Formats: sequence, structure tokens, C-alpha cells
Amino acid sequence: DVKVTQSSRYLVKRTGEKVFLECVQDMDHENMFWYRQDPGLGLRLIYFSYDVKMKEKGDIPEGYSVSREKKERFSLILESASTNQTSMYLCAIRSYGGNQPQHFGDGTRLSIL
Amino acid sequence: GEDVEQSLFLSVREGDSSVINCTYTDSSSTYLYWYKQEPGAGLQLLTYIFSNMDMKQDQRLTVLLNKKDKHLSLRIADTQTGDSAIYFCAESSDYGGSQGNLIFGKGTKLSVKP
Repeated sequence: DVKVTQSSRYLVKRTGEKVFLECVQDMDHENMFWYRQDPGLGLRLIYFSYDVKMKEKGDIPEGYSVSREKKERFSLILESASTNQTSMYLCAIRSYGGNQPQHFGDGTRLSIL
Repeated sequence: GEDVEQSLFLSVREGDSSVINCTYTDSSSTYLYWYKQEPGAGLQLLTYIFSNMDMKQDQRLTVLLNKKDKHLSLRIADTQTGDSAIYFCAESSDYGGSQGNLIFGKGTKLSVKP
């Protein structure tokens, strides 16, 4: 079974804080993705990575950065959290090659107060 | 750019069949996917279909693809209350590319009434 683990299911932080969301996989997959999910807007891609130390901007990278120092871990960083970053954050992984599906973690519901 | 459209809500009675529809714009789509999201959880891959197929069946699930009309549907036979969830359609348009980005619809919320 594919296992994608997000470090927290629920997280509450304050405006201006630096926030780290962690995603860990045990499948040795090359590609990792961060999305946010908001009612009425569906899933929006923030950043993705196709190898260690590689990163690419998705559709809405503003206010976020990422880190991939090891293959199994992909971190999403909110440099200075704002209330409009309150959302559900989903991590996904995918094996390289062909049109392999993405597999998702359980999500982190982040509230910024 | 590419777009994937779904209706937002569907309500059915337990035991009936559910049909969730999806349209997409990218004619180069190679794989199309259906994901299920239960409340408070991530997305779970249900099934996927390659664009050179027109039908795929997996137990209670039937996927139909009309490539000419760019229309995809998911039929759930004998719908149960446990099928209540949000269903996402997604398409992959990079030909076996390394990145595997998907374009998602906004999701269809299926409500199953007892």
C-alpha cells in the first residue's frame, strides 16, 4: 500500500508565524506535490518537486516556499502566515514515468488566527 | 488553458445507480482519473482509464469515456450510504512526462439518502 504521511491533521497558528507542513513517503517516488483545497475552488497546485533539491512553482506559489532535502520528505513553508492561508493542505506523490496516478496523504487542516 | 468541469452536487437514494459526469478540454489527455474524498480525509484513487479505451469496469464502478465529446462518467451501481463523498475527475496531459501534473475538476458532492 502507498503511504503518504502528513505530520499533522489539524494545526492552529497565528498571523505572522513561520509555519512548516511536512509530508513523508515510504514509496521512493520521485514526484511530490503540495495542493491547497478550498470550498468552491477545488484543488490548486502550490509547488511540486520531481527530484531531491528540485522544485517548480505551481499555480499559486505566492506566500509559500518548499524544501526537499531528502527524497522521502517534502516540506511546505509559510514564511509569514496570513489568515487567507487558512485551508486544507494536501500532499501527493507519484512515481516517475508513464501516467502513473498521484497518491494523497490525509491532509492538514490549517487555521491561521 | 486546460479545464475540467463537473457538476457540484448529486443526490440519489440508497440502492439506485449514481452517475457522475465530467467534461475536459485538453484533447491530448492520455489518462483520466476518478478520486473519492470522504469528509476530513485526503483523496483516494478509485480508478483510471487510458484514453484509447471507452469503458472500464471494476466491481460496482463503471467508467465511460467519450473521447470525441471529451466526456467522462463514473457510474456507481447499487449506491450505498458509504459512497457519500466528494468525487473528483482529473486528467493528465503530459505524454508520459516526468512531472505527472494533474488537472482536477472542482468535485461532485454525492449525497446518498437512506
